[in-house]
Amino acid sequence: SQQGEEDPQALSIQEGENATMNCSYKTSINNLQWYRQNSGRGLVHLILIRSNEREKHSGRLRVTLDTSKKSSSLLITASRAADTASYFCATDGVLRAGSYQLTFGKGTKLSVIP
Amino acid sequence: GAGVSQSPSNKVTEKGKDVELRCDPISGHTALYWYRQSLGQGLEFLIYFQGNSAPDKSGLPSDRFSAERTGGSVSTLTIQRTQQEDSAVYLCASSFTALNEKLFFGSGTQLSVL
Repeated sequence: SQQGEEDPQALSIQEGENATMNCSYKTSINNLQWYRQNSGRGLVHLILIRSNEREKHSGRLRVTLDTSKKSSSLLITASRAADTASYFCATDGVLRAGSYQLTFGKGTKLSVIP
Repeated sequence: GAGVSQSPSNKVTEKGKDVELRCDPISGHTALYWYRQSLGQGLEFLIYFQGNSAPDKSGLPSDRFSAERTGGSVSTLTIQRTQQEDSAVYLCASSFTALNEKLFFGSGTQLSVL
């Protein structure tokens, strides 16, 4: 499978610091996405980066993609207590019989201490 | 609708009973996904629909699990003869089309099998 694996599993930082989370995957992708989950329920899409892109920004978020290393990183700058959540990377893939799947990793649990 | 709607939000059932979980995707979204998330874990892919068809059902954990989608809209996930290991949050997501699209998630159904 093309499962993404996030690193670290948990991260605790002080408010105002930057948070960096990494994602590694196994096979070729068309795109990689990052999602955020609060309180173990629905996920919210943060950013999508395509395989021909190397870096993308959205507000305080910066995502990089290195297809040669099959890895991506998510940087949250000037973190806030409200950024406390679990962050997941997701990679796409086409299964047999034309079925499409977006595979999620186990996530990084970020705690931002006020 | 404005977002992906899942019902019920919580379901407590006895071992051996059947349960039906419902997902109402965003209007116009052709792709629909079901995931399962056990406590503190990542998302486990279950099944993907493009329109009313599910090209690949191999992600379903056992033959007790089935899913259907009618009219290219609402989907139901049915678990027959529930077991305690079925306890998890069941998440539904939709996207306008498959491939290179971000997913919009519902808030999930917390299933507890006693």
